This record gives sequence, C-alpha cells and structure tokens, in this order.
Amino acid sequence: QVQLVESGGGVVQPGGSLRLSCAASGFTFSSYGMHWVRQAPGKGLEWVAFIRYDGSNKYYADSVKGRFTISRDNSKNTLYLQMNSLRAEDTAVYYCAKDFTIFGVVPYYFDYWGQGTLVTVSS
Amino acid sequence: EIVMTQSPATLSVSPGERATLSCRASQSVSSNLAWYQQKPGQAPRLLIYGASTRATGIPARFSGSGSGTEFTLTISSLQSEDFAVYYCQQYNNWPHSFGQGTKLEIK
Repeated sequence: QVQLVESGGGVVQPGGSLRLSCAASGFTFSSYGMHWVRQAPGKGLEWVAFIRYDGSNKYYADSVKGRFTISRDNSKNTLYLQMNSLRAEDTAVYYCAKDFTIFGVVPYYFDYWGQGTLVTVSS
Repeated sequence: EIVMTQSPATLSVSPGERATLSCRASQSVSSNLAWYQQKPGQAPRLLIYGASTRATGIPARFSGSGSGTEFTLTISSLQSEDFAVYYCQQYNNWPHSFGQGTKLEIK
C-alpha cells in the first residue's frame, strides 16, 4: 500500500531554515509528481509546491517562491522541501502528497497524503 | 488565482439524512475539481475527482456533480464516520486552490 512519511519538522526561529523529507513506498515513486501542501493551525489547506516525476519542472505558490525549494531523489524514493527565510506565517503542518497522474507533465490532484510534520516558526 | 468559495461554513445534519455541500469557483474550472475529507488529527483523503468520479474505496453514498463554476458534494444517508471537514480543490488553473472548507457536524 502507498505510504508517505514526513519528517524534519520542529521549532525554528524567524529567518531560520529547515529541511523536510518525505519517504515514499508502495508505488513507483519515480513515475509520479509530488506535492507539498500545508495547513496552518485551525485553518484550511494551502498548496505549497509541486515537482514533476523526473524533477525537471517545479511549481511554487507565490507565498513561498524564492524561499522554498522542492526536490526529489528518485534513487532514495524521497521528496524534500528546503525552507529558508522562515516566517511566523509559515507555521503549519506540512503534508507531502502524491499526484494522481502517472508521468504527468502538469500537476493535478492528490490521491495519497502523508500524516504531516509540524513546523513552528517562533522566537 | 481562482478563488474557491464553499458554503455553508458549517452544516448540521442528523445521521441518516442527506448532506449537500457547495463549492463555487471565481471562474470556470471545467470539471477539474476534487473533493477531500479531513477528520481531526488526520490527513485529508481524496473522495471525488473530475467533479463526479469517486476515488478508489469511496462509498457510493458520496457523489459529486457540477461543472464550470458550480459544484456540489452530496452525502446520502450520513454515517457517523462522515462528520468531518470537506474541502474542494480546483486543478484547472495554476496555482491550484482550495476552498476554505465546510464543517459537517452532527445535529
């Protein structure tokens, strides 16, 4: 069965950096695009970033563009999110999610989600 | 960016009754709309994609309809496990956007 397990969350000061990881199993990781989606405490869902199955294309929400970098290592079945210049408003649970479409060239919707990792930006 | 608006914010329904949740897009998204269910402390779960196609393993009491700018998620004969928050998401235009959610609570 598909499993996505996030790690790397924690407490960081404003302006700091953090790298999240998402270990994938149960499907051919290298065939699917992957997303990061976040949810601030008590709030709704916000899509953050997408990376194509081969890593050749990346998309970012305006709110994180220039500060966050999505990447993947298909040899390790792992997705990453490097977060720099963190702000209080980045505090959220970060979910990695699998895109539905195999070999998709553009992002669609999310058919599997991890359980999330909490990032808290606070001094 | 396309703005997705869900209504109502909270819906109170008795078990066994029908629930109808609405989602409106600020411009046409064709049928490129998905619905997710989220229970407290859990990740969202895909229910519907393509506006009306149930995802794998989703019970037949969940149905989606609509196209363009108006969409509906209907849950017939509510079960106790259906009380949760529901989100719509458009994937027609970049960036993808979610509605703010509808909380379905027990009446």
